[in-house]
Amino acid sequence: SQTIHQWPATLVQPVGSPLSLECTVEGTSNPNLYWYRQAAGRGLQLLFYSVGIGQISSEVPQNLSASRPQDRQFILSSKKLLLSDSGFYLCAWSSGNEQPQHFGDGTRLSIL
Amino acid sequence: GQNIDQPTEMTATEGAIVQINCTYQTSGFNGLFWYQQHAGEAPTFLSYNVLDGLEEKGRFSSFLSRSKGYSYLLLKELQMKDSASYLCAVRDRADYKLSFGAGTTVTVRA
Repeated sequence: SQTIHQWPATLVQPVGSPLSLECTVEGTSNPNLYWYRQAAGRGLQLLFYSVGIGQISSEVPQNLSASRPQDRQFILSSKKLLLSDSGFYLCAWSSGNEQPQHFGDGTRLSIL
Repeated sequence: GQNIDQPTEMTATEGAIVQINCTYQTSGFNGLFWYQQHAGEAPTFLSYNVLDGLEEKGRFSSFLSRSKGYSYLLLKELQMKDSASYLCAVRDRADYKLSFGAGTTVTVRA
């Protein structure tokens, strides 16, 4: 069966510091991969998605970036965090465009 | 793009039935999903509708009317563990991306 791992679960970072969140999927090959952010009381906002290694589509302008160095690895990064980057970050995968997305456990990011 | 509306909160009694409505406006529809999200946790997939009608999965059912841009999630025989946020999401036909509603928080009371 397929599993998705996301870490860390919780992160507290100062403003201006870098960020690296990692997500890996097991039990499948060539998945679609997604990064979402969920602000308190709001819906999930799609940040990035990838349909293959090295293929990244960005949905909103921001100081975040994403990379997919391996088939089942998806990384969310920032060089300098802003206060507005606080939120609940969720990685998700699907086996294809027409399949449901399944979420990792999420990373709760607080910027001080 | 997508415009998705669902009620903010609903309260129901244990053992009862609750219906969560979702309306959407889209430039291209390719399916509607329902997710359950407990407080502080990630969303988990509940159901998927792409054709009109009712899909039943145990105590949960989801209905879709594409002509009306309308769906509902029906939760029967409510249990305390059903207290959660329920997210409606619509998939776009052009790029297969999901757009999520803000979620409906359901509180089940004894």
